[in-house]
Amino acid sequence: DQQVKQNSPSLSVQEGRISILNCDYTNSMFDYFLWYKKYPAEGPTFLISISSIKDKNEDGRFTVFLNKSAKHLSLHIVPSQPGDSAVYFCAASGQELIFGTGTRLQVFP
Amino acid sequence: DTGVSQNPRHKITKRGQNVTFRCDPISEHNRLYWYRQTLGQGPEFLTYFQNEAQLEKSRLLSDRFSAERPKGSFSTLEIQRTEQGDSAMYLCASSLVGVNYGYTFGSGTRLTVV
Repeated sequence: DQQVKQNSPSLSVQEGRISILNCDYTNSMFDYFLWYKKYPAEGPTFLISISSIKDKNEDGRFTVFLNKSAKHLSLHIVPSQPGDSAVYFCAASGQELIFGTGTRLQVFP
Repeated sequence: DTGVSQNPRHKITKRGQNVTFRCDPISEHNRLYWYRQTLGQGPEFLTYFQNEAQLEKSRLLSDRFSAERPKGSFSTLEIQRTEQGDSAMYLCASSLVGVNYGYTFGSGTRLTVV
């Protein structure tokens, strides 16, 4: 049973535009949600997080939104840059981090 | 401190052989985690340690998998009698207790069983 779901395996966005990556979860007991970025042949790197008691967290070009009633979170990247091209994983914090299957973002010029 | 270090980066082994991977966490981190990632999937939790105590191991994939952290510093993950289905990226991460906003991952060990 997949507790964290990323239903879009890939996303292609033009440089300068907004990228929106989505994530759904099933367990209302998760207390933190995180986004990780992964380049090929590297481990995931932490990007941004949000506590379950908040609905928005912003860090530079990255903003995460949490809708607890819908059990949905999203990552907004604006403006998107070619260096943002990577696989993005949503993760939820319980006893350990539970990851989604990832969304591959491609930012083209 | 150069972050979480994993060795080897790549391992090719014949089916039926045993393999062992090593992880050196960030020195001040007291929690250490092992994950497995297969193609097209996210990292899948296997086990974790707090200092030298293994607090969760029920998610290890089978009794062929075992992990140790003998002195609360580095950790090893061993797979006995490897099978082709064990081919994956094995990731180690570390964190401080109570830090919910991110583990630091190593670059992983890619295992190929032929």
